[in-house]
Amino acid sequence: QVQLQESGPGLVKPSQTLSLTCTVSGGSISSGGYYWSWIRQHPGKGLEYIGYIYYSGTTYYNPSLRSRITLSVDTSKNQFSLKLNSVTAADTAVYYCARDAPSDGGSFDYWGQGILVTVAS
Amino acid sequence: DIQMTQSPSSLSASIGDRVTITCRASQGISDYLAWFQQKPGKAPKSLIYAASGLRSGVPSKFSGSGSGTQFTLTISSLQPEDFATYYCQQYNSYPYTFGQGTKLEMK
Repeated sequence: QVQLQESGPGLVKPSQTLSLTCTVSGGSISSGGYYWSWIRQHPGKGLEYIGYIYYSGTTYYNPSLRSRITLSVDTSKNQFSLKLNSVTAADTAVYYCARDAPSDGGSFDYWGQGILVTVAS
Repeated sequence: DIQMTQSPSSLSASIGDRVTITCRASQGISDYLAWFQQKPGKAPKSLIYAASGLRSGVPSKFSGSGSGTQFTLTISSLQPEDFATYYCQQYNSYPYTFGQGTKLEMK
């Protein structure tokens, strides 16, 4: 059973960088075939797709956030990470990591539990 | 971006009822459509992929249909654990986008 777990600071100051890590267990990122993704949900709102990283390092970023996002992967630790710079209060959200499974029907089959990140001074 | 519009935004139903939620895409997405269930404070849970494929472990009371721009999620014989918010999501083209959600409440 694949499991994903987000970790990182729950509070970030405005203009600083939000950094989160997703640790994958029960499966290897290096095995390929999956796109390791980030999705966020503003409080009481809907879901927003942030982007993905493949085990090889190939990335896709949502154009709405592209100028501020960096995704990276560490296959030795079976982790992938999100950095979002120049944050504002509008970046306050629950951040989820998820597995996008194109060969297993597509879309997101496994999700982390989510981590609330608040941007405030 | 492809806009996904769900209707209704909220729905009140009783135990044992059968309900249908509709999702419309702003352009054709073939069958690249997924449905998720989300309960308060929890991550979304995948129910349906490819418009009508049932994710492993999901009860057959959930069914999806549609293609192109119009899709439906049907839940039969509602039980207390089914009351939640449901989202559709297109994965035909990037950026992936979600519907605004349908909150299913107990009458």
